[in-house]
Amino acid sequence: DSGVTQTPKHLITATGQRVTLRCSPRSGDLSVYWYQQSLDQGLQFLIQYYNGEERAKGNILERFSAQQFPDLHSELNLSSLELGDSALYFCASSVGVTGIIGNEQFFGPGTRLTVL
Amino acid sequence: AQTVTQSQPEMSVQEAETVTLSCTYDTSESDYYLFWYKQPPSRQMILVIRQEAYKQQNATENRFSVNFQKAAKSFSLKISDSQLGDAAMYFCAYTLNRDDKIIFGKGTRLHILP
Repeated sequence: DSGVTQTPKHLITATGQRVTLRCSPRSGDLSVYWYQQSLDQGLQFLIQYYNGEERAKGNILERFSAQQFPDLHSELNLSSLELGDSALYFCASSVGVTGIIGNEQFFGPGTRLTVL
Repeated sequence: AQTVTQSQPEMSVQEAETVTLSCTYDTSESDYYLFWYKQPPSRQMILVIRQEAYKQQNATENRFSVNFQKAAKSFSLKISDSQLGDAAMYFCAYTLNRDDKIIFGKGTRLHILP
């Protein structure tokens, strides 16, 4: 158990819909990262938040957005869903940011999203 | 572009034997960290081993060790005394020291034969 929690574990929805994935980081971790794992693209970095502020952006679609709340939990919002958005979405957390030795990212169990 | 290449989509090894998973990466930067992650059927991402690029000494963690060749941009993982619980998908990855995002390879699925 990494200490990172994600809800829900599974989500099944239809094309065109909107969903919200939730992540609670490990106690004391200020950074939250979102990754997408799909059969086509493999594991890809989507976005990072540090202490409530967006810090880095990767291959995140405009239909997707995220935020980190004052209690440091994060939500990933996916809208206008398409079949190709079906994937495993991971959240990870770390103590700080780059440059800190040992800034290991701890991964949550993931949310499996199926778009029908 | 920053890339990680794992040329072996699948490998098999007999239980108790040794296996080496290959990985090459491409970056023009000199300051970065390299990782091997394990993803068992549970889908949990587990860090197996990490290597700081500035360190010449290869990292080891019990039965897991790496062969880090910085000039060749190669980072292979050796698993000694393979166990059934080692069966998983293994991802090679790296992150730049000035950046937090992890760049992953496509993975190598490792089968352990009893």
